[in-house]
Order: sequence, then structure tokens, then C-alpha cells
Amino acid sequence: DIQMTQSPASLSASLEEIVTITCQASQDIGNWLSWYQQKPGKSPQLLIYGATSLADGVPSRFSGSRSGTQYSLKISRLQVEDIGIYYCLQAYSAPRTFGGGTKLELK
Amino acid sequence: EVQLVESGGGLVQPGRSLKLSCLASGFTFSNYGMNWIRQAPGKGLEWVASISSSSSYIYYADTVKGRFTISRDNAKNTLYLQMTSLRSEDTALYYCARLTGSSRDYWGQGVMVTVSS
Repeated sequence: DIQMTQSPASLSASLEEIVTITCQASQDIGNWLSWYQQKPGKSPQLLIYGATSLADGVPSRFSGSRSGTQYSLKISRLQVEDIGIYYCLQAYSAPRTFGGGTKLELK
Repeated sequence: EVQLVESGGGLVQPGRSLKLSCLASGFTFSNYGMNWIRQAPGKGLEWVASISSSSSYIYYADTVKGRFTISRDNAKNTLYLQMTSLRSEDTALYYCARLTGSSRDYWGQGVMVTVSS
């Protein structure tokens, strides 16, 4: 199975700050990487698919990038509504695998 | 509108069984592989099982292999998860999800399973 190593596990940042979360895949997964945001009591919401494509309705301050087997989610100017837990997901092969999650909090 | 609606959760004693269902609508269910994902209280997402569109390929997480069975009925647009020999560590919110890696990935609202005596 493909392992997804996500970092950091938790992150405290100020409003308007730039935030970056990364996921390292254990093997080549191409661009088959999605990012999700989860808020308390809610199902995960898709932010980024195909490593770099913004899902419908997602603010443009979110962006995704890839360098080899390392993937990054960037929030350009943190807003209060961005607080939550973020997960990466590889959709290259079955079984699907998630990163361990990053809990983003306000400083 | 795509909808995935899970049902069948509840409180069950350790060692007992429970069967979850996920009713899909708004897309051609028989064309897509499907997944069960769970989330224990305060924990991250854990993939549990997946099944291909025609049930030809089935995968399980090691934590549930031999105890859980994923299946589907394409005529009823329904995904199932039969859970046996339940343990306290199976306590979680169980999500049904279509995860293609595209912009059209969908999750249900989840159904809670609590394993406790």
C-alpha cells in the first residue's frame, strides 16, 4: 500500500499568515493527490484535486503544488474560517490512503 | 445532486455484528468504485474497505480484515459493510465515499457505530 506522510501534525498560525502543509508519498502517485478540509461535526470537504486543481467554490487563497513525490497545500492569507483539520489523500491506486492530518489553529 | 446516505449504525456490544448501508443517488452507481472510511472520536481518517464497480476487486485495511465484509447491490444503488466480531476500537463515525481523485468526489454525512458493553 502507498503510505502518505503528512506534516506537521499541528500548526498554529496568525490571521493573514501564509500556511503550508506537506504530504510525502512513499512512491510515485503522479498528480493523484487530493486535499480535504474537515471541520468539527462535518464530512471532509474537497479543496484540491489532481495535486493542483482548485475544487469548485474553494477560495483562491488555497493552492496545491507538487515536487516529485512531495505535495503541498498552501493557504496564502489565513482566515478564521480556515481553521480545521486538513488531510491529503492519494487516489492513484487502491487502497486509497490518507495522510495523518494537520490540525490548524489560530495563534 | 449526488447524495450518499449511510444508515445502520448504533450501539452494539463487543463481539456482536452490525451491517451498515449507504444509499447512493444522483449518479450511475454501477460505474464507480466505492469506499468505507471511518473516524474514531478525536482521531484522523482511516480507510476501511473498498470495492470496485463490479465487485471484482475488494480491499480491506489490516485492522478489519477477516471481520468486515464490503459488498454492493448495483440494482439497489447501495453499498454495504457487514461488521462482525466488533471491538471497542471499531467505535467510529463511518463514512461512505466515492473517491476518484477528481473534482467529483463525494462523502456521506457518516453514521456512528459505538461498540460498548
